[in-house]
Amino acid sequence: DAGVIQSPRHEVTEMGQEVTLRCKPISGHDYLFWYRQTMMRGLELLIYFNNNVPIDDSGMPEDRFSAKMPNASFSTLKIQPSEPRDSAVYFCASSFQGAKGANVLTFGAGSRLTVL
Amino acid sequence: DAKTTQPPSMDCAEGRAANLPCNHSTISGNEYVYWYRQIHSQGPQYIIHGLKNNETNEMASLIITEDRKSSTLILPHATLRDTAVYYCIVRVPYNTDKLIFGTGTRLQVFP
Repeated sequence: DAGVIQSPRHEVTEMGQEVTLRCKPISGHDYLFWYRQTMMRGLELLIYFNNNVPIDDSGMPEDRFSAKMPNASFSTLKIQPSEPRDSAVYFCASSFQGAKGANVLTFGAGSRLTVL
Repeated sequence: DAKTTQPPSMDCAEGRAANLPCNHSTISGNEYVYWYRQIHSQGPQYIIHGLKNNETNEMASLIITEDRKSSTLILPHATLRDTAVYYCIVRVPYNTDKLIFGTGTRLQVFP
């Protein structure tokens, strides 16, 4: 398995532009997580899905952020409009339910977003 | 979830054992101890988890005290590539739920 695949790896955009980050989880995993990491705030959980359904989006900072999971193999995190304070590394992770799988997350390489 | 306390930073000489402590004095009977690490610029990586017995895998060993109030992650022969931030997290194992990362321990392995 290729692991969790994220794209783009790097994105530089101007304030006010729409940003879409993409994630392909590991096949067979039924949980998908979006995290954001900054120096100031560390790793923050934004939202997670189970079987393509959003379970908890309490970490989404504001209405400018939205996440979707249209099928088991694809998820997007969208920021519209983007602001400089959204600059961060965004990680996607997946896992499967069960005593051995629960809480054992596999992370992608991350998408580094810079908003000018 | 039980709260964990880790030292903010540690140093270790290459080739020596790195022993990373974690306190979790409020851990409940059904909570496991999980360890992850994050090498610079990479996504966090799962290392190991356990309940009460000591655990070992190809990456590390996990020693949990008998009262389960603390644990130690052991990297038996640290290499420069083990330089990373190490996170200790306490969770109930059979429910996947939001995994919250604290500030962890920054381990610096030096030559």
